[in-house]
Amino acid sequence: KQEVTQIPAALSVPEGENLVLNCSFTDSAIYNLQWFRQDPGKGLTSLLLIQSSQREQTSGRLNASLDKSSGRSTLYIAASQPGDSATYLCAVSALILTGGGNKLTFGTGTQLKVEL
Amino acid sequence: DTEVTQTPKHLVMGMTNKKSLKCEQHMGHRAMYWYKQKAKKPPELMFVYSYEKLSINESVPSRFSPECPNSSLLNLHLHALQPEDSALYLCASSQDGFSGNTIYFGEGSWLTVV
Repeated sequence: KQEVTQIPAALSVPEGENLVLNCSFTDSAIYNLQWFRQDPGKGLTSLLLIQSSQREQTSGRLNASLDKSSGRSTLYIAASQPGDSATYLCAVSALILTGGGNKLTFGTGTQLKVEL
Repeated sequence: DTEVTQTPKHLVMGMTNKKSLKCEQHMGHRAMYWYKQKAKKPPELMFVYSYEKLSINESVPSRFSPECPNSSLLNLHLHALQPEDSALYLCASSQDGFSGNTIYFGEGSWLTVV
């Protein structure tokens, strides 16, 4: 059974700091890995998708890396802003070969607070 | 437009009520999902529909009944729920059920069972 862990569980940083969020998974047979952001009481916003054959993806101040063999991914946030405050979730995807669809297994999340 | 729309945003229901949660997407996606999220926990998969057919049921109790009337709509029918079923119910969709595309989530429906 796939297990996904995120470290740290919570993080508080001053504005402008660069930071790294970590995600680890136990089964390397994944199809892709997706990073999401969730604001309190809201749904999930997709940030980045990394296919299993890729090592890295970038979007603006965000950079995600994937080391499938070691079961690790990191999300790097450059020059953090108070608007980045949210819970960040990583999720690994497995294809449902019999009927179709993707099964996401989510990590435990990192609650980020960026202070002025 | 990468939007998944869920209604209602909030629902309070008694344990003997019958209600439904609705989800709609107009991105031409052919895979749709229901997830359940309890407070301070990650989302957990409930159901997957691929090309309007139920692909996965993660051993969800029968008091939850999914329905996919067409490729744009996904419903979750609720009946005889328990207070522990109170949670945020998230709908999601992805382009194709057989490849690793981005999965887009709606804002969720907050369900309280009294």
